[in-house]
Amino acid sequence: DAKTTQPPSMDCAEGRAANLPCNHSTISGNEYVYWYRQIHSQGPQYIIHGLKNNETNEMASLIITEDRKSSTLILPHATLRDTAVYYCIVRVVNTDKLIFGTGTRLQVFP
Amino acid sequence: KAGVTQTPRYLIKTRGQQVTLSCSPISGHRSVSWYQQTPGQGLQFLFEYFSETQRNKGNFPGRFSGRQFSNSRSEMNVSTLELGDSALYLCASTNEVSYEQYFGPGTRLTVT
Repeated sequence: DAKTTQPPSMDCAEGRAANLPCNHSTISGNEYVYWYRQIHSQGPQYIIHGLKNNETNEMASLIITEDRKSSTLILPHATLRDTAVYYCIVRVVNTDKLIFGTGTRLQVFP
Repeated sequence: KAGVTQTPRYLIKTRGQQVTLSCSPISGHRSVSWYQQTPGQGLQFLFEYFSETQRNKGNFPGRFSGRQFSNSRSEMNVSTLELGDSALYLCASTNEVSYEQYFGPGTRLTVT
């Protein structure tokens, strides 16, 4: 069973920040939080991951709460091409097994 | 750097047949994982290989099997195909240093 809970859908205006929440209240100390997105049944695209510190890369920022029970993916300036299903996943260290939930369908509108 | 490649991209088989799908990971990645994606069940983990050894297995019947070669390329095999095996089969390879995992474009299998 998925260990994460995400809203099924969200809307965001183009150019605005998209903040996608994720709950992972049962996360263990050695489990990482990963974010992927999938566009039109292509292979999921890696976005970012983190353990307990906030992370930022060229695509997005990941904010993890201090108790690690939830996180937020931030796309700072959403574009129409960011329309996709976004998956928040926990992954155990030393295994590559990812347990996907149902994700959040993000719709960016003009 | 080339990404994860999967062949073939599309495949049509009939019930009862078997099929072999291939995955070439990113150069230098030794870990390969396989996933099945269907509209009803979403993305489900099949198995994971590291250095030619199966490290993890999902809850799929024994008709689903895989292997990994010394060059890290991996194959998965599905025997006695059923209609419900129609799906997008995805392969992913992992950078064991950064823990970044990258997916290929997938093989879309249709069973008729």
